[in-house]
Amino acid sequence: GENVEQHPSTLSVQEGDSAVIKCTYSDSASNYFPWYKQELGKRPQLIIDIRSNVGEKKDQRIAVTLNKTAKHFSLHITETQPEDSAVYFCAACYQTGANNLFFGTGTRLTVIP
Amino acid sequence: NAGVTQTPKFQVLKTGQSMTLQCAQDMNHEYMSWYRQDPGMGLRLIHYSVGAGITDQGEVPNGYNVSRSTTEDFPLRLLSAAPSQTSVYFCASSDHGEAFFGQGTRLTVV
Repeated sequence: GENVEQHPSTLSVQEGDSAVIKCTYSDSASNYFPWYKQELGKRPQLIIDIRSNVGEKKDQRIAVTLNKTAKHFSLHITETQPEDSAVYFCAACYQTGANNLFFGTGTRLTVIP
Repeated sequence: NAGVTQTPKFQVLKTGQSMTLQCAQDMNHEYMSWYRQDPGMGLRLIHYSVGAGITDQGEVPNGYNVSRSTTEDFPLRLLSAAPSQTSVYFCASSDHGEAFFGQGTRLTVV
């Protein structure tokens, strides 16, 4: 099955700096890579996703890059704000009839004001 | 439009008891799934369903049963609760894109 590794497990940045979280996956058939943000006691919520036919995607301060050859993808958050503090999860999925997500172990991001 | 609704939010069980976690979605999604979330381990897939009448095992299915009699509902049954099943459980549904999660059930087995 798919195995997703995520680094780092914790990350502290000063407000306004950038944050980068990296993930690798093992199954070359995976074709959908979402990122979820989870605040304390809340449900995971999608912040951005990318499909395997695209190398990069941006949404305001958030961007995701995908390298299919190396089987890794990264989340970039620029101009970080205190409200970005949360746990971030990457996931990989081979979308057929089933959309089974395989998650990384999470990164706890702390933005220091 | 409520999205994905899970009940209960909190539950304490004694070892050996059984219970059902309820999950309902109103988005007409064919795909539904259950995950458990444990500290330092991310979310792991327990069972999933690609449509009414069809279910299959995920990464960690032991000790859990599911059924899918309607598109809307996907209950998760713990047959004989064990302390190792103490966790936060999330139900999710999706079509071909974003997975929508329920608010979670925090289960403690003592």
